[in-house]
Amino acid sequence: NAGVTQTPKFQVLKTGQSMTLQCAQDMNHNSMYWYRQDPGMGLRLIYYSASEGTTDKGEVPNGYNVSRLNKREFSLRLESAAPSQTSVYFCASSEVGTGVYEQYFGPGTRLTVT
Amino acid sequence: DAKTTQPPSMDCAEGRAANLPCNHSTISGNEYVYWYRQIHSQGPQYIIHGLKNNETNEMASLIITEDRKSSTLILPHATLRDTAVYYCIVSGNNNDMRFGAGTRLTVKP
Repeated sequence: NAGVTQTPKFQVLKTGQSMTLQCAQDMNHNSMYWYRQDPGMGLRLIYYSASEGTTDKGEVPNGYNVSRLNKREFSLRLESAAPSQTSVYFCASSEVGTGVYEQYFGPGTRLTVT
Repeated sequence: DAKTTQPPSMDCAEGRAANLPCNHSTISGNEYVYWYRQIHSQGPQYIIHGLKNNETNEMASLIITEDRKSSTLILPHATLRDTAVYYCIVSGNNNDMRFGAGTRLTVKP
């Protein structure tokens, strides 16, 4: 099992450019998440998808869009990148049900916007 | 804002127990306490969670006070590989995990 994979690992964009961050999981999890982590800070939730076909805003959704392509894949799009979006982006997945389930994280995408 | 308060940093000697405290005085009855850690710049890794009883797994123990307003994560025999940032999170569901700044634990030889 690869777990949660993210592409690309690194990216440099100019202000105003667009790009899509890809995330895939092979654990058959229903829920998927996108977080950002700024230097020296904790993670903040951007968007999540509780199940295939649904997406919801998290704590910091402005400037981002997401697509839950299928159960495995959840992408994050920056339509017009800004320097304030320079960050490390983590994708995560988890199971859902009546219990409590841990989130599994990918290795991250390091994005710099100049 | 995160619902927890943690010390920004702690040191621990290799082989000794590391006790990481967390205050969560506003925790609600249906909210769990989760602990994750982040080694260097990797993605966070789940450690343990609990509601009101103490919990133990192969990685750590979680002690929650009777009033649930604070908890302690215990790494019984810390190794150099346990050097990481440790996050204490209080949440009622998987979709509202607020990671604060965490505690940077340094295990020293």
